[in-house]
Amino acid sequence: GQQLNQSPQSMFIQEGEDVSMNCTSSSIFNTWLWYKQDPGEGPVLLIALYKAGELTSNGRLTAQFGITRKDSFLNISASIPSDVGIYFCAGQRSGGSNYKLTFGKGTLLTVNP
Amino acid sequence: DVKVTQSSRYLVKRTGEKVFLECVQDMDHENMFWYRQDPGLGLRLIYFSYDVKMKEKGDIPEGYSVSREKKERFSLILESASTNQTSMYLCASQFGGALHFGNGTRLTVT
Repeated sequence: GQQLNQSPQSMFIQEGEDVSMNCTSSSIFNTWLWYKQDPGEGPVLLIALYKAGELTSNGRLTAQFGITRKDSFLNISASIPSDVGIYFCAGQRSGGSNYKLTFGKGTLLTVNP
Repeated sequence: DVKVTQSSRYLVKRTGEKVFLECVQDMDHENMFWYRQDPGLGLRLIYFSYDVKMKEKGDIPEGYSVSREKKERFSLILESASTNQTSMYLCASQFGGALHFGNGTRLTVT
């Protein structure tokens, strides 16, 4: 299946720094989702975006649904050690609920205290 | 909160064994999914189900089958386990487009 292009693949940052990551595709998506996965655990949904241009926050996390519908961005402000993990983007092409998601390969975030 | 429960966190099985991975969700969601996750390959869809007794193949269904006899339960079956099926298996249910994942089952086939 198609993969989303997620970048960067990994990031090493200092505690307190802001983080940005993004996903791009050649296809248009109607839904963008951002997940975080801790080692040995399942992915946890962070933010869901349903409308082009939408900007949604969840605490220190902010995500945007790109105007072109082909990209999405996730920002983390003032990072803390527990932000460590793998962040995945996912897109859904149809507005219906019977459709598969396409996943990015993830961004591995390391936060140095 | 949505709760998706996978019956085992870790499993070790022998080559050729029949393996059952169980998943239960408590939110009456219609759609359920099984993925496997491998380093460098990301999440790959094995099967999904959009209703009781209904199923569709995902991207990598070979060597697997599924069962959905009740809405809340979606089982993944490895008919004859092989070493290349050693992986992290993730079950999910879907609502409003978003997937809600279980904690995963780390399966090792020796």
